[in-house]
Amino acid sequence: TQLLEQSPQFLSIQEGENLTVYCNSSSVFSSLQWYRQEPGEGPVLLVTVVTGGEVKKLKRLTFQFGDARKDSSLHITAAQPGDTGLYLCAGEGNAGNMLTFGGGTRLMVKP
Amino acid sequence: EPEVTQTPSHQVTQMGQEVILRCVPISNHLYFYWYRQILGQKVEFLVSFYNNEISEKSEIFDDQFSVERPDGSNFTLKIRSTKLEDSAMYFCASSENWGSSGHIDTGELFFGEGSRLTVL
Repeated sequence: TQLLEQSPQFLSIQEGENLTVYCNSSSVFSSLQWYRQEPGEGPVLLVTVVTGGEVKKLKRLTFQFGDARKDSSLHITAAQPGDTGLYLCAGEGNAGNMLTFGGGTRLMVKP
Repeated sequence: EPEVTQTPSHQVTQMGQEVILRCVPISNHLYFYWYRQILGQKVEFLVSFYNNEISEKSEIFDDQFSVERPDGSNFTLKIRSTKLEDSAMYFCASSENWGSSGHIDTGELFFGEGSRLTVL
C-alpha cells in the first residue's frame, strides 16, 4: 500500500510570508499532483509533476518533484489571503489514475 | 467550462438502505472514477471505469458497491446496503486519458463537487 504523508497539517501565516508544504513517501510515484480544495467542492488540479527533479512554477507557487520521485514540495512566495484553502498532494502509481492522496495542509493567510 | 456534475449534493439514508449516487462526467472523457472522503480523513480511491468495465478497484470497493454507466452520459455508484461507516463525501471524477504521467495534458482528473452521504 502506497502512503503519502503531508506536512504540516495546519499552517497559519501573515500575508507576505513564504511557506513550504511537504509531501513524502517511501514509494515511488509515476507522477505527483497538487490540488486545492475549497469547502463544499471537489479538488481542483494545480499542477502535475512527472520527472524526478522537475520544478514547475505557477505564479507565486513553485512545485518540485524529488529526484527519486518519492517526495514533493509546494512553496508559496509572498502568500496572500486568497491563497487560504486546503492543499492536497496525490501520487499516481503504476496503475494510472488510482491516486493516493496525502492528508492535506490547511493554510490560512491572515491579512 | 465543462465540469463534472453530481447529484444529489446531500443524501440522508437509514442503515441498510440502497443508495445511488449519480454523476455526469465531462462529455469527451472516457475514464471515470469514484473517490470518497470520510470526514477528517484522506481522499480515498474507490474505483475506476473504462469501456463499460471496472479498470481498478480498491479494497474499500467490496460487494456492496457497484458502478454502472446506464446511458451515454450518467455514471452511477450504488451502495446496496448502507452501513454507518459509508457516511462520507463521494467524489466522481473523469479524465480524457489514463494517467497523467503518460498524458500530462489529457490525463488530468476533473472532480465533481461531491455528494455527501449520511447514514443514520
